[in-house]
Amino acid sequence: DIQMTQSPSTLSASVGDRVTITCRASQSISSWLAWYQQKPGKTPSLLISKASTLESGVPSRFSGSGSGTEFSLTISSLQPDDFATYYCQQYNSYSTWTFGQGTKVEIK
Amino acid sequence: EVQLVESGGGLVQPGESLRLSCAASGFTFSSYSMTWVRQAPGKGLEWISVITGGSKSTYYADSVKGRFTISRDNSRNTLFLQMNSLRAEDTALYYCAKLRPGNSPFDCWGQGTLVTVSS
Repeated sequence: DIQMTQSPSTLSASVGDRVTITCRASQSISSWLAWYQQKPGKTPSLLISKASTLESGVPSRFSGSGSGTEFSLTISSLQPDDFATYYCQQYNSYSTWTFGQGTKVEIK
Repeated sequence: EVQLVESGGGLVQPGESLRLSCAASGFTFSSYSMTWVRQAPGKGLEWISVITGGSKSTYYADSVKGRFTISRDNSRNTLFLQMNSLRAEDTALYYCAKLRPGNSPFDCWGQGTLVTVSS
């Protein structure tokens, strides 16, 4: 099975900071990677699919990159609404879907 | 607008069974694969199971294979998760979600239903 490893587990940052979260797959998943945002007590929300395709309504300060086994989610200028937990997910094979363990972005 | 509403959660004892439901609206339910994802208290997301639109194929995580069964009733726009032989480690908030055609992430999620397994 494909394992997904995110780093860091927790990230402390200030409003206006540029932040980057990385996600590594245990084997190549091409660009079949998604990023989700989950705010406390809320449902996960799809931010990015196919590694870099921003979902409708997602602010342009979010961007995704990578392919193969190395991926990243970048927030160009952190806003108060962005403090949340972010998960990567691989969907390379139509038989298993795997999430990373999550990265909590908290206020510094 | 896509809406997914889960129900059926509750408190059960280890070894007991529970059936979750997810009522879907706002899209052609039968055309889309659907999934269950769970989140234990304070923990991350864990994919559980997927079922294709016509129920031809189902997929399960190893952690629930042989104990959980996913199914759907397209005439009632409803997704189900039958959970047998429940364990304490199955305690979680269970979400249903919708996939897109082909290789797909989970693009719309319900609010979840809480399952607690405890004696």
